[in-house]
Amino acid sequence: EIVLTQSPATLSLSPGERATLSCRASQSVSSYLAWYQQKPGQAPRLLIYDASNRATGIPARFSGSGSGTDFTLTISSLEPEDFAVYYCQQRSNWPGTFGQGTKLEIK
Amino acid sequence: EVQLVESGGGLVQPGGSLRLSCAASGFTFSSYAMHWVRQAPGKGLEYVSAISSNGGSTYYANSVKGRFTISRDNSKNTLYLQMGSLRAEDMAVYYCAREGEGFDPWGQGTLVTVSS
Repeated sequence: EIVLTQSPATLSLSPGERATLSCRASQSVSSYLAWYQQKPGQAPRLLIYDASNRATGIPARFSGSGSGTDFTLTISSLEPEDFAVYYCQQRSNWPGTFGQGTKLEIK
Repeated sequence: EVQLVESGGGLVQPGGSLRLSCAASGFTFSSYAMHWVRQAPGKGLEYVSAISSNGGSTYYANSVKGRFTISRDNSKNTLYLQMGSLRAEDMAVYYCAREGEGFDPWGQGTLVTVSS
């Protein structure tokens, strides 16, 4: 099983700042990496698929990069609604696995 | 509108059974693999089970293997999760999700509470 490790566990930033979230895979997942945002009481929402493609309706301030084992989700300028938990997910081998999540909190 | 709606959650005693349903609409259900993912209170996302578009392939997390059964009825656009021998650690919100390049959409979730 491919293990995804997200860092940091918690990230404390202020609105307007840049956020950089990391996801590392225990073996190569090529570009089959997705990112999700989850707010309290809500289902996860797909942000990024195949490492760098924004899902429909996702603002341009969200971007993804990486391939192989190291991936990054960047939020260029944090809006108040961006404070949430973020999960990465690989689909290199079916059905895939999730990372443990990064909580992005307001500083 | 592409939509998934779960139902069937509730309170069940340890050792009991429950069947979850996920009704799909707005897309060709039979063309997509489908998944169940759960989230225990205050915890992260955990894979539970998956099924291919025609039902020919299934996957179970080790934690539920032998106790849960995933199935689908493509004529009814519905995904199911039959859960048996339920334990306290199975208590969670259960989400169904459609597999594409990522999981999108997700249902709103249904809460399963295991308690005596």
